[in-house]
Amino acid sequence: GNSVTQMEGPVTLSEEAFLTINCTYTATGYPSLFWYVQYPGEGLQLLLKATKADDKGSNKGFEATYRKETTSFHLEKGSVQVSDSAVYFCALIDLTDSWGKLQFGAGTQVVVTP
Amino acid sequence: DSGVTQTPKHLITATGQRVTLRCSPRSGDLSVYWYQQSLDQGLQFLIQYYNGEERAKGNILERFSAQQFPDLHSELNLSSLELGDSALYFCASSELGTSGIYSYNEQFFGPGTRLTVL
Repeated sequence: GNSVTQMEGPVTLSEEAFLTINCTYTATGYPSLFWYVQYPGEGLQLLLKATKADDKGSNKGFEATYRKETTSFHLEKGSVQVSDSAVYFCALIDLTDSWGKLQFGAGTQVVVTP
Repeated sequence: DSGVTQTPKHLITATGQRVTLRCSPRSGDLSVYWYQQSLDQGLQFLIQYYNGEERAKGNILERFSAQQFPDLHSELNLSSLELGDSALYFCASSELGTSGIYSYNEQFFGPGTRLTVL
């Protein structure tokens, strides 16, 4: 079956530090990959996506590259802000499952201190 | 604001009881998804409806059921509640019911309903 594994948190950083959150996946079909962010007390928001191998998704200074050879989709940001404090979820949709349900990793809490 | 609304925001009830969670999708969205977020299981897909019909099922217990009404709002019914059912329940909506290899049908999430079973 399909699965998503991401690094455990919490990850605590100082403002302007470099952030990396590792995500690896297993999939039997043709996955599209996503990062969602959950701010305190809110629902999930799509942060970025990549629909095929070697695609790079980017948004709000965050980037992730779909690496089929290493089955990875690591999230990076060069200089974090306090407002980036949130829980980040790596997720996939197996496109052979045409109804498009998302499968999530466990989530990684990021805490950015001033 | 995603445009997806969920009520109630919080729900506290006792074991053995039954509750109903409500979701109103974004205007124009035909598909509704339900997800459960708990400390031990993480974020899991429960069920999907498209234009009133059930389309996909995930790890949804038999004690749970859902439906989508003609006005496209959806309800998730949880019965014979157990302590382990305490979780955050999210609804998401999308315009279509499918995603293809060259397209992604983005899901927009509501703020969730926090259920506490005592």
